[in-house]
Amino acid sequence: DQQVKQNSPSLSVQEGRISILNCDYTNSMFDYFLWYKKYPAEGPTFLISISSIKDKNEDGRFTVFLNKSAKHLSLHIVPSQPGDSAVYFCAAVGGSQGNLIFGKGTKLSVKP
Amino acid sequence: GAGVSQSPSNKVTEKGKDVELRCDPISGHTALYWYRQSLGQGLEFLIYFQGNSAPDKSGLPSDRFSAERTGGSVSTLTIQRTQQEDSAVYLCASSSQGTRNQPQHFGDGTRLSIL
Repeated sequence: DQQVKQNSPSLSVQEGRISILNCDYTNSMFDYFLWYKKYPAEGPTFLISISSIKDKNEDGRFTVFLNKSAKHLSLHIVPSQPGDSAVYFCAAVGGSQGNLIFGKGTKLSVKP
Repeated sequence: GAGVSQSPSNKVTEKGKDVELRCDPISGHTALYWYRQSLGQGLEFLIYFQGNSAPDKSGLPSDRFSAERTGGSVSTLTIQRTQQEDSAVYLCASSSQGTRNQPQHFGDGTRLSIL
């Protein structure tokens, strides 16, 4: 049973527009979330994180929003660029040791 | 380089053989994690090392899987008597303190194919 869900396997956006990637989780005990970006044949690269004591964290073009009551988070990329085309993974810190629980990823395509 | 290094990048082997996958974490990182990504799936946690403490093996899928970390640095993941369902990309990650909220930095993985 998946604890972190990314229900959209793919998303296509025009360059310059906003990309919104969504993630839902089931365990209300999760208190720290991360987004990773992955290009083919490379490992995931850390993008941005958020603690459950916040509802928003911003870093340049990337903003993560957390809605604890809905157990939902989203990653906004504004403006989207062709180089943002990649698979984006949402992850929650699941164990006491810090191991990550990942969603299955959303493949973002940004068209010029 | 300064990142997490994994070798080999690709491994093809026959069913029933043993394989060893290697991970060199970022220098100074005390926490090391192994994950695997099967086709169409997210990353699945396998095992965690923190300093000289006993590893957290709770994610290992069977007793054919084992891992060790020598001298608190390099780690080796061993899969014995490989099966076709072991085919996946095996990813290693390290973080600086091993506390829960430190971002993990990943290597590029080893793509394992079992024939």
